[in-house]
Amino acid sequence: QKEVEQNSGPLSVPEGAIASLNCTYSDRGSQSFFWYRQYSGKSPELIMSIYSNGDKEDGRFTAQLNKASQYVSLLIRDSQPSDSATYLCAVRSNDYKLSFGAGTTVTVRA
Amino acid sequence: GAVVSQHPSWVICKSGTSVKIECRSLDFQATTMFWYRQFPKQSLMLMATSNEGSKATYEQGVEKDKFLINHASLTLSTLTVTSAHPEDSSFYICSARAERGGTDTQYFGPGTRLTVL
Repeated sequence: QKEVEQNSGPLSVPEGAIASLNCTYSDRGSQSFFWYRQYSGKSPELIMSIYSNGDKEDGRFTAQLNKASQYVSLLIRDSQPSDSATYLCAVRSNDYKLSFGAGTTVTVRA
Repeated sequence: GAVVSQHPSWVICKSGTSVKIECRSLDFQATTMFWYRQFPKQSLMLMATSNEGSKATYEQGVEKDKFLINHASLTLSTLTVTSAHPEDSSFYICSARAERGGTDTQYFGPGTRLTVL
């Protein structure tokens, strides 16, 4: 599997603030990128997918992709206590396998 | 989103026994399913790719004779942990590949927590 690196956590932000999560990947040929949220003891749930350079917004979430820099990020605006979870960056290879980063744990302080 | 179920959600077994975990895609057909394992405080590690009607392909370091995978239909894949030992205790998660509307996404099951005594 290819390498996927995420910024080390944990990340603690006050309620209402912006949480910024970063991810880099090693396979320059990768085309598909995903952010999953995982609550403790649960399986991952898909938040965002992004395939093209630039920004993609979905509600309070914005994913950013820069293929030249091999960099993917996720912004969570107006963070809520319910956003407290581990966020996993995943990169899909041509054989549809996902490689996951170690995850960044986010805690939103009320 | 697509729904994937797993059964059982948790299981406790004695060392040396075998445990079967089922993964079902409930509202779509999945030609490909994936099996992951997650140890505490670690990320998901892909164990194997399960293809309907053919043999599973295993990632490096995963023993195919210990982790038997059967993908007998387009909606069901099973993982059997044979002769389980305490070090096999982990959170096992399956995902199913869904091709919808021109996009290709993996949807995860809720996971099965295996504890081997």
